[in-house]
Amino acid sequence: QKEVEQDPGPLSVPEGAIVSLNCTYSNSAFQYFMWYRQYSRKGPELLMYTYSSGNKEDGRFTAQVDKSSKYISLFIRDSQPSDSATYLCAFLEWGGSEKLVFGKGTKLTVNP
Amino acid sequence: GAVVSQHPSRVICKSGTSVKIECRSLDFQATTMFWYRQFPKQSLMLMATSNEGSKATYEQGVEKDKFLINHASLTLSTLTVTSAHPEDSSFYICSARVAGVRGNEQFFGPGTRLTVL
Repeated sequence: QKEVEQDPGPLSVPEGAIVSLNCTYSNSAFQYFMWYRQYSRKGPELLMYTYSSGNKEDGRFTAQVDKSSKYISLFIRDSQPSDSATYLCAFLEWGGSEKLVFGKGTKLTVNP
Repeated sequence: GAVVSQHPSRVICKSGTSVKIECRSLDFQATTMFWYRQFPKQSLMLMATSNEGSKATYEQGVEKDKFLINHASLTLSTLTVTSAHPEDSSFYICSARVAGVRGNEQFFGPGTRLTVL
């Protein structure tokens, strides 16, 4: 079983749609949960960060963590063409190595 | 936010040559920098962790004699790909860690695309 599973897509939605992106993980030591956005030929940028189960909202973005199911989600409301990018989930162990473990990324295209 | 730059952004070289990639934190000091490699349609894979003034820690399977890392100052780390071969062609990305901020957030550079002919 891979440490992190993320559907690579691609995912194509119309402008204004609600987007749901998901990752599952197997390492119980993961305690920090992150979503990065990566535009083509650019480095990733941190979108959302949380360390507890539940929902965390930031503007049009909501990060959801379910530790019991080892499942995290990122929801994008009122999606815009500028949201078109690859979204990577990332995980960090609590008090362990500083190593970020990334999913493969889901490529999202929002069509005007 | 913290800015990390990389130079060059793209490099094409002949097989057998060495290539140096620079990673700089522009507006903050980074005690720790990370080097990642990303193949097409694959996730970012950590190659090594670099602490200022000490030897880099390499991940399993990464040849330390092939990928030389130097972190001589708090704002600069370099990755040298020695005797590059076509299979080394990839997107190399560095990041710099800001301790204590948002779970020790890593700020990523824009990446360097290496093509070895």
